[in-house]
Amino acid sequence: GAVVSQHPSWVICKSGTSVKIECRSLDFQATTMFWYRQFPKQSLMLMATSNEGSKATYEQGVEKDKFLINHASLTLSTLTVTSAHPEDSSFYICSATGEGGLETQYFGPGTRLLVL
Amino acid sequence: RKEVEQDPGPFNVPEGATVAFNCTYSNSASQSFFWYRQDCRKEPKLLMSVYSSGNEDGRFTAQLNRASQYISLLIRDSKLSDSATYLCVVKRRGATNKLIFGTGTLLAVQP
Repeated sequence: GAVVSQHPSWVICKSGTSVKIECRSLDFQATTMFWYRQFPKQSLMLMATSNEGSKATYEQGVEKDKFLINHASLTLSTLTVTSAHPEDSSFYICSATGEGGLETQYFGPGTRLLVL
Repeated sequence: RKEVEQDPGPFNVPEGATVAFNCTYSNSASQSFFWYRQDCRKEPKLLMSVYSSGNEDGRFTAQLNRASQYISLLIRDSKLSDSATYLCVVKRRGATNKLIFGTGTLLAVQP
């Protein structure tokens, strides 16, 4: 159990376009989802925390107007990278926690974004 | 200074060797501690939680020293399949469940 999927697994886009990444909890209801970004040879950096039905909480230095997060249901959160630029190329990973005070975060397989 | 610091390695060890990784954290309000494993171009996967009393899972032993703000992971009888990046992770006290990741230590087990 506790499977999290992401779609797409990789995407290549032109500079200036927007890219939407989906994160789904397949067999549990995810009250909280997290979005991370990982550049090569660096650690995962938390971008934002989203709770179902409310606005996401962004980490310092993350532009909320550039990285739009929607958590409209208990099984789906989306991250949209708007007007992507080459420096946005990275590995984007989501994770989710369930109800009942569960502490464990279950990670999705990640989405590799390359902006040309 | 990073909140979670690890030696990036790489640690190149022969099969069967014992290898130890260390990690320090700077925020004394950190509440929970974990080791994750991340394979190349994959998501991190929880290896084990870390407790002050020390805990063991097969060939893996984790230890926490709260006074020194120091976490360790010991791998005995290394296997080729242990080759990966090992991430030290801490969770801050509070309701947000936010995880702070170290940059990871790369382990390469050689045949």
